Amino acid sequence: DVKVTQSSRYLVKRTGEKVFLECVQDMDHENMFWYRQDPGLGLRLIYFSYDVKMKEKGDIPEGYSVSREKKERFSLILESASTNQTSMYLCASSRRGEVVQETQYFGPGTRLLVL
Amino acid sequence: GQNIDQPTEMTATEGAIVQINCTYQTSGFNGLFWYQQHAGEAPTFLSYNVLDGLEEKGRFSSFLSRSKGYSYLLLKELQMKDSASYLCAVVDSNYQLIWGAGTKLIIKP
Repeated sequence: DVKVTQSSRYLVKRTGEKVFLECVQDMDHENMFWYRQDPGLGLRLIYFSYDVKMKEKGDIPEGYSVSREKKERFSLILESASTNQTSMYLCASSRRGEVVQETQYFGPGTRLLVL
Repeated sequence: GQNIDQPTEMTATEGAIVQINCTYQTSGFNGLFWYQQHAGEAPTFLSYNVLDGLEEKGRFSSFLSRSKGYSYLLLKELQMKDSASYLCAVVDSNYQLIWGAGTKLIIKP
């Protein structure tokens, strides 16, 4: 079974703090993704990575950065947290598909509250 | 622009059948996923359709019509544990996933 873990289930931070969200997967997947999920909106892609040290911007990268130093670990960084970054953050991983998008497997999510 | 439409919320009775619709307008199409997400938990994979027709998997079936830009998820013999949000996602021409906002399904005894 694929297992994707995230460092925290719940996190409370203050405006302006630097925030690190960690994600680890144990299935040797090439692809890793960071999403945020807000009520009434679909999952929105922040950043993704297809390989170690490689990153691509998603739909809403502003205010975020990422790091992928090892294949199994993908970190999301909020450089200076703001209240509009209060959200549920979901990490996902998938195999590199040859033709089509492979199924994504999700972590349990981190619910971040920025005060 | 790219758009995925699903009803926001549906209610059904335990033991009954429910159909959750998803319509999409995307730049290209390379398949459609359905995921289930219980409150406070991660989405989990239910089905993937890339060809027209119905795919059955136990109590759950998923249908796709590419010409109509339409899919549905059919849940039979509903159980209380089926109360969850159901997310539709389309793979576009760049092999990126476009997500719908999800349909919250409430099951009543």
